[in-house]
Amino acid sequence: DIQMTQSPSSLPASLGDRVTITCRASQDIGNYLRWFQQKPGKSPRLMIYGATNLAAGVPSRFSGSRSGSDYSLTISSLESEDMADYYCLQSKESPYTFGAGTKLELK
Amino acid sequence: EVQLVESGGGLVKPGSSLKLSCVASGFTFSSYGMHWIRQAPKKGLEWIALIYYDSSNKYYADSVKGRFTISRDNSKNTLYLEMNSLRSEDTAMYYCGESRYWGQGVMVTVSS
Repeated sequence: DIQMTQSPSSLPASLGDRVTITCRASQDIGNYLRWFQQKPGKSPRLMIYGATNLAAGVPSRFSGSRSGSDYSLTISSLESEDMADYYCLQSKESPYTFGAGTKLELK
Repeated sequence: EVQLVESGGGLVKPGSSLKLSCVASGFTFSSYGMHWIRQAPKKGLEWIALIYYDSSNKYYADSVKGRFTISRDNSKNTLYLEMNSLRSEDTAMYYCGESRYWGQGVMVTVSS
């Protein structure tokens, strides 16, 4: 099975900061990588698909990138509404696998 | 407006069975692969099953393979998850979704 190693598990940050969350794939997944945002008590929200494509309705301060087997989600200028948990998901092959998650919180 | 509404959850004893349903509206359900994912209390997301738009292929996480069955009825815009031999570790909120759209979830608690 493909393992997705997500870091950091917790990310304290201030409003206006540029933040980056990373997932490393244990084997090649091409660009079959999605990023989800989840707020407490809510269902997941798709933010990025195909590693770099912004999902509909997602603010342009969010972006996705890839460097080899490392996939990153970057928020260019943190806003209060961005405080949430973030998960990567590889959809290259079954079983699909999520990263362990990153809790983005105010410093 | 897109809606996915899960139902069928509840409190059951270990070894029991349960069948979840997910009714979709507001998009062309029959054109998309559909997933079930779950989240144990205070834990991360876990992908558990995928079914292709035409039911031609089904895939499962190792943790549920052989116990859970995903299915769909495109005439009813409904996705199902039949869960057998339930264990305490299956206790979680279960979400159905297409990736862009997700339901609000249904809670399954397995406890004696």
